[in-house]
Amino acid sequence: KNQVEQSPQSLIILEGKNCTLQCNYTVSPFSNLRWYKQDTGRGPVSLTIMTFSENTKSNGRYTATLDADTKQSSLHITASQLSDSASYICVVSNPVESNYQLIWGAGTKLIIKP
Amino acid sequence: DVKVTQSSRYLVKRTGEKVFLECVQDMDHENMFWYRQDPGLGLRLIYFSYDVKMKEKGDIPEGYSVSREKKERFSLILESASTNQTSMYLCASTREGGITLNEKLFFGSGTQLSVL
Repeated sequence: KNQVEQSPQSLIILEGKNCTLQCNYTVSPFSNLRWYKQDTGRGPVSLTIMTFSENTKSNGRYTATLDADTKQSSLHITASQLSDSASYICVVSNPVESNYQLIWGAGTKLIIKP
Repeated sequence: DVKVTQSSRYLVKRTGEKVFLECVQDMDHENMFWYRQDPGLGLRLIYFSYDVKMKEKGDIPEGYSVSREKKERFSLILESASTNQTSMYLCASTREGGITLNEKLFFGSGTQLSVL
């Protein structure tokens, strides 16, 4: 069964610290892997999109990595800020199902404390 | 920037009522989607549309219908609302090419629907 699992479910860190969020997937084949940030009460906003041939992509203080062999991705946040408090969602596209099929993880809730 | 606008942030309806959720995008995107988001679960696709008057069922279409009469507008209809349809509803749009061509999905702010 195609699944995307994220860990940890929630994480609390102090402002200024770094953190890494994990994503493991069983989707096969896949065409791309995405990370989204969702503030409370808002819609998700795209952070990165990586194809299976890319193994790292950065967007400011956010760096996503992808290991297509082990089917793992991580999102590293450097020098966290209070505005980083949000849910971070890993999403994998599965073109076999349809051109519109995305498999969504349940997200990691990140809380940054001052 | 792409703007996807959902008509209501919060909505409270009674069981059995017909509910309309409206979504408008301003970037001439071909594809539009309706998702629902429940605590502890990933987003689940209800319906999507790849062109005017064209629609396809997603993973959980039961109890819902959609309408796309104009390119910029995609409506989600709950014919007879039930308590298990209490959820956050998210509309999204993307350019032609589909998800597999690495196109960004742009989301609205969501509608939190409560069915009493």
